[in-house]
Amino acid sequence: GDQVEQSPSALSLHEGTGSALRCNFTTTMRAVQWFRKNSRGSLINLFYLASGTKENGRLKSAFDSKERYSTLHIRDAQLEDSGTYFCAALTGGYKVVFGSGTRLLVSP
Amino acid sequence: ETAVFQTPNYHVTQVGNEVSFNCKQTLGHDTMYWYKQDSKKLLKIMFSYNNKQLIVNETVPRRFSPQSSDKAHLNLRIKSVEPEDSAVYLCASSQGTNERLFFGHGTKLSVL
Repeated sequence: GDQVEQSPSALSLHEGTGSALRCNFTTTMRAVQWFRKNSRGSLINLFYLASGTKENGRLKSAFDSKERYSTLHIRDAQLEDSGTYFCAALTGGYKVVFGSGTRLLVSP
Repeated sequence: ETAVFQTPNYHVTQVGNEVSFNCKQTLGHDTMYWYKQDSKKLLKIMFSYNNKQLIVNETVPRRFSPQSSDKAHLNLRIKSVEPEDSAVYLCASSQGTNERLFFGHGTKLSVL
């Protein structure tokens, strides 16, 4: 069935540095969404992409449906960026398949 | 901050009891969902309603049933809970099926 492989599962960054999260899809997805889970457990919308790239502040996301992957880049990481990040792939129907999450810890 | 509201936040109950979770969205969306977050933190879809019509019903046990009075509400009832039902249940909404999802805070169920 449709699957999403998210990596890395955990990531440690020092303040001011950056890195990238990646989701690979086993099938062609029509769109991808990125979320961050906040301290209250809410899933906060970061990006929704049907194609191409989007940028918002220190975050940038890309989605290539043909190559079956999406990335989330974080630059100049701050302490408040710590949390768990999820990608979610929207299939051709009404299904949404989530990645397993990336636990990000930003330290001073 | 959020326009998808779930109640309760937590619920502890015993095996065999019936529980009901409520979800309301104030975004004017026409599609609502229930997801279950498993022990590995994966979110798996359970049900989806579009304009009060059930459009997805994953292979969940029959003791689970969605209930929708209008497109702004989608409740989840579990008729006779089992220990494996302990999980976080997340409600979400979207406008159509091609747009982004907005999630509630989740309801954590513990079955003793």
